[in-house]
Amino acid sequence: GENVEQHPSTLSVQEGDSAVIKCTYSDSASNYFPWYKQELGKRPQLIIDIRSNVGEKKDQRIAVTLNKTAKHFSLHITETQPEDSAVYFCAATSGGYQKVTFGTGTKLQVIP
Amino acid sequence: KAGVTQTPRYLIKTRGQQVTLSCSPISGHRSVSWYQQTPGQGLQFLFEYFSETQRNKGNFPGRFSGRQFSNSRSEMNVSTLELGDSALYLCASSPRGSFDTEAFFGQGTRLTVV
Repeated sequence: GENVEQHPSTLSVQEGDSAVIKCTYSDSASNYFPWYKQELGKRPQLIIDIRSNVGEKKDQRIAVTLNKTAKHFSLHITETQPEDSAVYFCAATSGGYQKVTFGTGTKLQVIP
Repeated sequence: KAGVTQTPRYLIKTRGQQVTLSCSPISGHRSVSWYQQTPGQGLQFLFEYFSETQRNKGNFPGRFSGRQFSNSRSEMNVSTLELGDSALYLCASSPRGSFDTEAFFGQGTRLTVV
């Protein structure tokens, strides 16, 4: 089955700096890669996603890149703000009915 | 539009008991998936239902089961509870697929097994 590895598990950055979270996946048939943000005590919420036919996608301060050959994808947050502090999960989906596998999460702390 | 609703929010059960959790998806969403979230294991996929049929299943023992009703509401049942089943159980709904589009999560049910 699919295996998704996520690094780092914790990340501390100064406010205004950039943060990068990386994920690798094992199933070359995976075709949809969402990123979810989960603030403390709250539900996970989609922040950005990318499909296998696209190499990069941006939404304001957030971007995701996908390298299908190397089977890895990354989340980039620029100009970080304290409200970016949360746990971020990557995921990969594959199969006819889109079975999903999540990474183990990255706890991001933005220091004011 | 109302979001995904999970009940109850908190549960305390004793080892060996069974428990049923409920998830009401966003109106019009036909897919409901369930996840177990623990500090050490992150988010682990349990199963997904679409139009009352289980389409996908994760690597959990048969003590974990679910079903979906004609109105798309879903229930998850865990029998013979073990201490290790203590976790936050999240469900998510999406219009058609498990994760080929954005999935919306509920607030979760925090299960504690003592």
